Amino acid sequence: ETGVTQTPRHLVMGMTNKKSLKCEQHLGHNAMYWYKQSAKKPLELMFVYSLEERVENNSVPSRFSPECPNSSHLFLHLHTLQPEDSALYLCASSQAPGPLYNEQFFGPGTRLTVL
Amino acid sequence: AQSVTQLGSHVSVSEGALVLLRCNYSSSVPPYLFWYVQYPNQGLQLLLKYTTGATLVKGINGFEAEFKKSETSFHLTKPSAHMSDAAEYFCAVSEVSQGGSEKLVFGKGTKLTVNP
Repeated sequence: ETGVTQTPRHLVMGMTNKKSLKCEQHLGHNAMYWYKQSAKKPLELMFVYSLEERVENNSVPSRFSPECPNSSHLFLHLHTLQPEDSALYLCASSQAPGPLYNEQFFGPGTRLTVL
Repeated sequence: AQSVTQLGSHVSVSEGALVLLRCNYSSSVPPYLFWYVQYPNQGLQLLLKYTTGATLVKGINGFEAEFKKSETSFHLTKPSAHMSDAAEYFCAVSEVSQGGSEKLVFGKGTKLTVNP
């Protein structure tokens, strides 16, 4: 595997379910990100991790819980979601935080549908 | 806070025609500007970025963008469209958050269709 991978690629869940999204980067980067991409809305940054420490939490509801066990893996734990949480969730990584000098490499995303 | 406006959610051009995707930004400080492309079923990929210096920036796949401070614009162009350019394009500006970290603020995107 190369670059940034995300699993699953598609997920359908009910509002009472608990599920997790997984992201893995094979680039040796130290920063990882979760973004939410909703139809007709700008891409929204959710969380930023640098060296496994959360450095940004962009006012995300607590039903989204990130976890970064090491610099190569990032999880997004989901519970009691709402239908409006249906979106494409993108993971990205970069050598360090800060987009100016650190290009972000994106995974293909997980398409989440909440029923 | 910074913001980005992309004029036209959909743009359609013929193969071989000029591609022009518009982006205007608002920023209280000198901006750092980016264009990303998203092909179907893929993540975003950096096309080009403007930091300082030359206002005409060249990127991958024959794309370029020009920073015009007086117009607060960073439009993306390509002289001759190719079928493989069909994708969604996102303009973004760099912003420093309240927590002190730097992040990207994206526009809503422009979907480019290339007709044979």
